[in-house]
Amino acid sequence: IAGITQAPTSQILAAGRRMTLRCTQDMRHNAMYWYRQDLGLGLRLIHYSNTAGTTGKGEVPDGYSVSRANTDDFPLTLASAVPSQTSVYFCASSPSGGAANEQYFGPGTRLTVT
Amino acid sequence: RKEVEQDPGPFNVPEGATVAFNCTYSNSASQSFFWYRQDCRKEPKLLMSVYSSGNEDGRFTAQLNRASQYISLLIRDSKLSDSATYLCVGYNAGNMLTFGGGTRLMVKP
Repeated sequence: IAGITQAPTSQILAAGRRMTLRCTQDMRHNAMYWYRQDLGLGLRLIHYSNTAGTTGKGEVPDGYSVSRANTDDFPLTLASAVPSQTSVYFCASSPSGGAANEQYFGPGTRLTVT
Repeated sequence: RKEVEQDPGPFNVPEGATVAFNCTYSNSASQSFFWYRQDCRKEPKLLMSVYSSGNEDGRFTAQLNRASQYISLLIRDSKLSDSATYLCVGYNAGNMLTFGGGTRLMVKP
């Protein structure tokens, strides 16, 4: 593979269920990010990780958790999904965190919580 | 107020037209800006970085006006394939990328 992959491509989930969105990159980038994109609100940062073993909260972290056990993987977990978490989720990576770094995005996961 | 704001459009232009988008930002300490392009139901991809002196890449020109806190994207000789949503990106006070809501461009034959 080359770049960033996300799984699943789409998912319909019952409210209250637990769900993990997967993200893997093979570019050896140190920094990784999770965004959600909603109509009219644009992309909003959920959580980020500047290097393996560290994570941080973004603009809208509530209801989500992440882990960064290694460089390549950055899963996003919804512990108990709610309908307001219906969105398109994008994972991204960059060579390092901070300013002046292009972010490379995965193809996205479309999640519907019913 | 969002830290990066854009006119959502849509901008409907004929092929060959020149079109310009502006984007305003609130964090005066922002050092880096970008324009990303997003096609329908696809992921965003970097179109170009925005440098203080302005920069050009083929038909695309990006400008930064720090005094008025806006950046602009000019597209000359529009092509049908330029139809997309263009996302303005700056940095927020926490030094994290922050995206505008996007401006939709539709180029018509």
